[in-house]
Amino acid sequence: QKEVEQNSGPLSVPEGAIASLNCTYSDRGSQSFFWYRQYSGKSPELIMSIYSNGDKEDGRFTAQLNKASQYVSLLIRDSQPSDSATYLCAGARGSQGNLIFGKGTKLSVKP
Amino acid sequence: DARVTQTPRDKVTEMGQEVTMRCQPILGHNTVFWYRQTMMQGLELLAYFRNRAPLDDSGMPKDRFSAEMPDATLATLKIQPSEPRDSAVYFCASGLVDTGGTEAFFGQGTRLTVV
Repeated sequence: QKEVEQNSGPLSVPEGAIASLNCTYSDRGSQSFFWYRQYSGKSPELIMSIYSNGDKEDGRFTAQLNKASQYVSLLIRDSQPSDSATYLCAGARGSQGNLIFGKGTKLSVKP
Repeated sequence: DARVTQTPRDKVTEMGQEVTMRCQPILGHNTVFWYRQTMMQGLELLAYFRNRAPLDDSGMPKDRFSAEMPDATLATLKIQPSEPRDSAVYFCASGLVDTGGTEAFFGQGTRLTVV
């Protein structure tokens, strides 16, 4: 069973702090990873994709991938109350495989 | 504004009735996913298609669920007969596969309630 695991939270951080969200995966064949943000009652929205080991930065977001440890993370710098949402991690076997999601981590940013 | 369109947005039906959910993927995308989301299970992959061909539907209860792509602009998910445990939000997502992976973009979802 291919699985993606996330801590369900809630993770609470003060406004302006760094939020760190983590994800582990069991399928060593997974090659591509994605972070989605889902506001309550809305659909998931893609915010980051990462395919290679290391860091990938986009604005206030940094995704990190360590394939040896089967670990993916998302850092949100200068967290804002508008970042409060559930963050979903997903993995896939490159271009051939399906896209498997973790259950998500709920983030709450307190003003 | 390219987006995935799902219909209906909400559906309430009685147990035993047939339910059909429709999805129009983003023009040019060659991959379509169907997911079901519940509080307990999160996002579960039901089926996905590549270039209209079904690649994996192992997540779908075969006896009552069926998924098809009659053409490149329409994907359907059908439940017959529906049961109360099918109540969930059903999402369709589409993407364009490349060598790196498939970034999937979600529709607004269909909230299904079976009473």
